[in-house]
Amino acid sequence: QQQVRQSPQSLTVWEGETAILNCSYEDSTFDYFPWYHQFPGESPALLIAIRPVSNKKEDGRFTIFFNKREKKFSLHIADSQPGDSATYFCAASDSNNRIFFGDGTQLVVKP
Amino acid sequence: GGIITQTPKFLIGQEGQKLTLKCQQNFNHDTMYWYRQDSGKGLRLIYYSITENDLQKGDLSEGYDASREKKSSFSLTVTSAQKNEMAVFLCASSRGLGGSETLYFGSGTRLTVL
Repeated sequence: QQQVRQSPQSLTVWEGETAILNCSYEDSTFDYFPWYHQFPGESPALLIAIRPVSNKKEDGRFTIFFNKREKKFSLHIADSQPGDSATYFCAASDSNNRIFFGDGTQLVVKP
Repeated sequence: GGIITQTPKFLIGQEGQKLTLKCQQNFNHDTMYWYRQDSGKGLRLIYYSITENDLQKGDLSEGYDASREKKSSFSLTVTSAQKNEMAVFLCASSRGLGGSETLYFGSGTRLTVL
């Protein structure tokens, strides 16, 4: 059973638009929800993260919205830029150090 | 800053062969991880270790062994390579206990089994 589900698998937006990437999870004991991005040929790197005590976390153009009741969280990328084109992975972790990743969303931002 | 070094970068094996992948980190991090990434897929946890000589199984541990003999190193063994298997194996580390620490990844070992 997949612990973290991510959608869409791929997403294309125009420069300046807001890209919305979605994730859901199963285990209610998860207590940390990071997003990683991975550029072609590179390894994943942390982008932004949230704990369930908050329902929103902002860092510049990147915002996580978190809904604990529905076990869903999303990443909004405002004013998308071509340089944002990458694969984005949501993840969830528990107190036992296990970190589970979604299958990724491949984002393309067209100029 | 620090770095995670994975060796080799490319590994070609034969069906049934035992293959070992190595990972070194100089962050002085406590926790280390091995993930497998298949093309177009997410990262699946194979093994992790919270301290020297500790081993914890992930969801994908069958067919693999791991070893954490030193705090700075974590190795992964494919016990019997499967024909036509292709994947990237990513090693990562994080500072402390608890899953809420940032993962730092190495550049990966790309495995191809002929």
